[in-house]
Amino acid sequence: DVKVTQSSRYLVKRTGEKVFLECVQDMDHENMFWYRQDPGLGLRLIYFSYDVKMKEKGDIPEGYSVSREKKERFSLILESASTNQTSMYLCASSHRGGAKNIQYFGAGTRLSVL
Amino acid sequence: DQQVKQNSPSLSVQEGRISILNCDYTNSMFDYFLWYKKYPAEGPTFLISISSIKDKNEDGRFTVFLNKSAKHLSLHIVPSQPGDSAVYFCAASVVNDMRFGAGTRLTVKP
Repeated sequence: DVKVTQSSRYLVKRTGEKVFLECVQDMDHENMFWYRQDPGLGLRLIYFSYDVKMKEKGDIPEGYSVSREKKERFSLILESASTNQTSMYLCASSHRGGAKNIQYFGAGTRLSVL
Repeated sequence: DQQVKQNSPSLSVQEGRISILNCDYTNSMFDYFLWYKKYPAEGPTFLISISSIKDKNEDGRFTVFLNKSAKHLSLHIVPSQPGDSAVYFCAASVVNDMRFGAGTRLTVKP
């Protein structure tokens, strides 16, 4: 059974703080993704990675960075959190082969920036 | 610019009846389409998919229809059950690019 685990379910941070969101998958997937989910906007891709130490920008990368030092772990970093980054963050993983491969999602981290 | 649109934020149906969820897309290059289901406090889970070379795919109570000329797909759930109450996301993809709709909240009343 595929498992994608996000380190926190709920997080409250202050404006200007550096925030780390961690994601671990146990299925040896090559691809990993970070999305944010906002009402009326669906899931928007922030960053994705097709291999260790490799990253590609998604649609909304501004204000975010990522790190993938190990195949199973993909971290999302908010360098200086702002209130407009309050959102639900979802991590996903899939096998190599492009977007046709099913993405498996974590339960999400609801981040509030005050 | 949303390339995948789900114009109905919510849908309510009676148990045992058919649920029809709709999705429209704008990019004719999309060649693979998926539906995900999301319960509260859980991540989205894959439900059913369809390739652009087909116009219908069925899996138990769930059927997805694709109309390429209209750039429209729909998910039919027959019969609907209370456990189907969730948010349903439509997704469309080409190569490494996958786009999601905003979701439709389905409520199935007993």
